Amino acid sequence: SQQGEEDPQALSIQEGENATMNCSYKTSINNLQWYRQNSGRGLVHLILIRSNEREKHSGRLRVTLDTSKKSSSLLITASRAADTASYFCATATQGGSEKLVFGKGTKLTVNP
Amino acid sequence: DAGVTQSPTHLIKTRGQQVTLRCSPKSGHDTVSWYQQALGQGPQFIFQYYEEEERQRGNFPDRFSGHQFPNYSSELNVNALLLGDSALYLCASSSLAGGWNEQFFGPGTRLTVL
Repeated sequence: SQQGEEDPQALSIQEGENATMNCSYKTSINNLQWYRQNSGRGLVHLILIRSNEREKHSGRLRVTLDTSKKSSSLLITASRAADTASYFCATATQGGSEKLVFGKGTKLTVNP
Repeated sequence: DAGVTQSPTHLIKTRGQQVTLRCSPKSGHDTVSWYQQALGQGPQFIFQYYEEEERQRGNFPDRFSGHQFPNYSSELNVNALLLGDSALYLCASSSLAGGWNEQFFGPGTRLTVL
């Protein structure tokens, strides 16, 4: 079963706009990661945020984590057509488990 | 520096057959994890290999088995294929030194079972 649930399932925006995707999960985590996947191919690691962190930035990406609400958000600023992809959150649970539990993903379309 | 590589890229099999997928981890990585991604779904963890042993396993039947070689490369074997085994199979590598936190994924093998 999948732990994370991304919201929305699909998002369509214009180039230059910001895109926000949300992820909710069910159990306590060690860390939460966001991945990008283009056209059903391999996953690209975007950012990792640990359970004791609240916000993290990487280039045009901003991730927040609220462990009390068991939720995270990924913000992509000034989106580009090349950002068109599916975005997944994945959680690594506490207790030394390194397996990642993925949600179903958000399909982002950035229109030029 | 080569990333994670997988072979073959695509594979078509019929029900009941057996299949072997291969993965070479990123240089410097010693751990390989396998994931199954059905169409429109997120990847699901199959198992993880470290030091040539299965370290963790997800909720997959015994028809799914694996192996890790001394050079850290890995194979995923699926016996008695079912139509429902059609999926993208992803290999991810990581390292104990990195706390297994960040996993680097290969491009995947697309398996179609007819």
